[in-house]
Amino acid sequence: KAGVTQTPRYLIKTRGQQVTLSCSPISGHRSVSWYQQTPGQGLQFLFEYFSETQRNKGNFPGRFSGRQFSNSRSEMNVSTLELGDSALYLCASSYAGTLGEQYFGPGTRLTVT
Amino acid sequence: SQELEQSPQSLIVQEGKNLTINCTSSKTLYGLYWYKQKYGEGLIFLMMLQKGGEEKSHEKITAKLDEKKQQSSLHITASQPSHAGIYLCGADSYGGATNKLIFGTGTLLAVQP
Repeated sequence: KAGVTQTPRYLIKTRGQQVTLSCSPISGHRSVSWYQQTPGQGLQFLFEYFSETQRNKGNFPGRFSGRQFSNSRSEMNVSTLELGDSALYLCASSYAGTLGEQYFGPGTRLTVT
Repeated sequence: SQELEQSPQSLIVQEGKNLTINCTSSKTLYGLYWYKQKYGEGLIFLMMLQKGGEEKSHEKITAKLDEKKQQSSLHITASQPSHAGIYLCGADSYGGATNKLIFGTGTLLAVQP
């Protein structure tokens, strides 16, 4: 069974631009969560989608948004990029519900210049 | 809010030696996860523990959740260079009601041949 895939793997953007990252969960998984990882703040939860609905949200500004499609694939968007948005963005998928095993993708490394 | 503290922050061991990494929470742990991460890459799922006193093993790695469900340990037996990486513990931040995980700051493990 294929694992979680994320595209693109690397991205360089300029301050003020917007970016869209994609995540394809493991086949059959309906929950997709997004995390931001930085050296200073560690791993922080962004949001979770389940059956096309945002189920949980972390403490990030409204510039960070996401969505999930009917095939469970998810995208996250960051508008008006800031230098501080440079990070590794990870998505994780799980089968359903809560307290399920969560599997992470390889991440998208975003650099904002 | 719940916080996860990992110790030690870093560890250097000789190949073949045993080691233990600890994860301590200020609140009861629900859905305690252990992951391994190579620098700049995604998280590799190791194990998930839910019940007090639970213990799971995979190859040379054993994880335990104490009876009070406030501390977990990860033990590696006869370490190998392939065990090197960053070990992260994570837990559901809403007492098992969500897929929103908080993470410890990680333990960097180096294994010297």
